[in-house]
Amino acid sequence: AQSVTQLGSHVSVSEGALVLLRCNYSSSVPPYLFWYVQYPNQGLQLLLKYTSAATLVKGINGFEAEFKKSETSFHLTKPSAHMRDAAEYFCATRSGNQFYFGTGTSLTVIP
Amino acid sequence: DGGITQSPKYLFRKEGQNVTLSCEQNLNHDAMYWYRQDPGQGLRLIYYSQIVNDFQKGDIAEGYSVSREKKESFPLTVTSAQKNPTAFYLCASRTRQGANTGELFFGEGSRLTVL
Repeated sequence: AQSVTQLGSHVSVSEGALVLLRCNYSSSVPPYLFWYVQYPNQGLQLLLKYTSAATLVKGINGFEAEFKKSETSFHLTKPSAHMRDAAEYFCATRSGNQFYFGTGTSLTVIP
Repeated sequence: DGGITQSPKYLFRKEGQNVTLSCEQNLNHDAMYWYRQDPGQGLRLIYYSQIVNDFQKGDIAEGYSVSREKKESFPLTVTSAQKNPTAFYLCASRTRQGANTGELFFGEGSRLTVL
């Protein structure tokens, strides 16, 4: 079965510092991969998705992710953190009609 | 604006009562999903439906029921058989056609608290 693992349930960065949120996937076939963001008491919003067209995927709000098959990773990055980036981030994969979500990483941005 | 509307946003229930959470979408999406979210556990699939009048159990369907009588609507009933219903419930949908297949679109969620 396909799955994703998010390393680090909590990440803290200073405002202006690099954001790196880790996601590893397990899949025997090229996967569909997604990153979502969730603000408190709200639904999930798509940040970006990988569908094999390009290994470096750019998303909204300055985020991007790089698909690395050799490392089975799809880490999310942003060069400079902003206070508004504080939220919960979920990595997900799709297999057929079902989606599988990681347990989430809570990002704190320190002023 | 197209989107997914969940209601109510907040709901309180006494033990032993059934409650129904509404989910309506005007995105013309074929597939709809219900997830449960608990702190530290990510999202867990309750039920999903690919077409009208058809739905499948997810990983944690026990104590829940759904219906899909219309393409736009996918209500979730939390029954008294659900032992620990206090949670945040998320409805989602996706298209199954065209170049943009794949991602889920989410509603704003419904928070159920059992008193």
